[in-house]
Amino acid sequence: AQSVTQLDSQVPVFEEAPVELRCNYSSSVSVYLFWYVQYPNQGLQLLLKYLSGSTLVKGINGFEAEFNKSQTSFHLRKPSVHISDTAEYFCAVTSAGTGNQFYFGTGTSLTVIP
Amino acid sequence: KAGVTQTPRYLIKTRGQQVTLSCSPISGHRSVSWYQQTPGQGLQFLFEYFSETQRNKGNFPGRFSGRQFSNSRSEMNVSTLELGDSALYLCASGIGTVTNEKLFFGSGTQLSVL
Repeated sequence: AQSVTQLDSQVPVFEEAPVELRCNYSSSVSVYLFWYVQYPNQGLQLLLKYLSGSTLVKGINGFEAEFNKSQTSFHLRKPSVHISDTAEYFCAVTSAGTGNQFYFGTGTSLTVIP
Repeated sequence: KAGVTQTPRYLIKTRGQQVTLSCSPISGHRSVSWYQQTPGQGLQFLFEYFSETQRNKGNFPGRFSGRQFSNSRSEMNVSTLELGDSALYLCASGIGTVTNEKLFFGSGTQLSVL
């Protein structure tokens, strides 16, 4: 079985400050890891994904994430946030042979304060 | 290319009724997944259909069912509605032939059970 834990349900941060959204996963097999963002009244959009190779993954809108196998983590970071980054962020995991069955975390609500 | 379309956008039902939600995936996509999103629970996987067959199923009671048509459009049905079924139901489409693919989400159907 797989699961995802997002350690912070809400993260307030001032505009232009750096931010880290934490994600830990649990799995007995090799995993693929994803971060999705959900803006108000919209569906989810893919920010970035880790499949294999380099543990530092760069995504859209200046976000990046680092896969750490020993700590089973996949934290999302951005060096300088904008007001437009205010949204809900979801970490998700899946593994080979499971089709499109993803396990999502409970989400982190990022609020950027002007 | 049109995105994932979910109808209706909002639904209000009473306990004991049944409801059908519809999802039209992106043209050419053969995989349709359904998720239930509630505050504090994040997204929980309901089931996935691929080429008209249920490929994966989450841990939901039998009151939740679905199907997929030959044109890849999918419907989800919930019978004997309970108050706890109030949620945002999201549909996601994908090509379906690779595990680590990017999913495209619709804006969801907000179901309120009174």
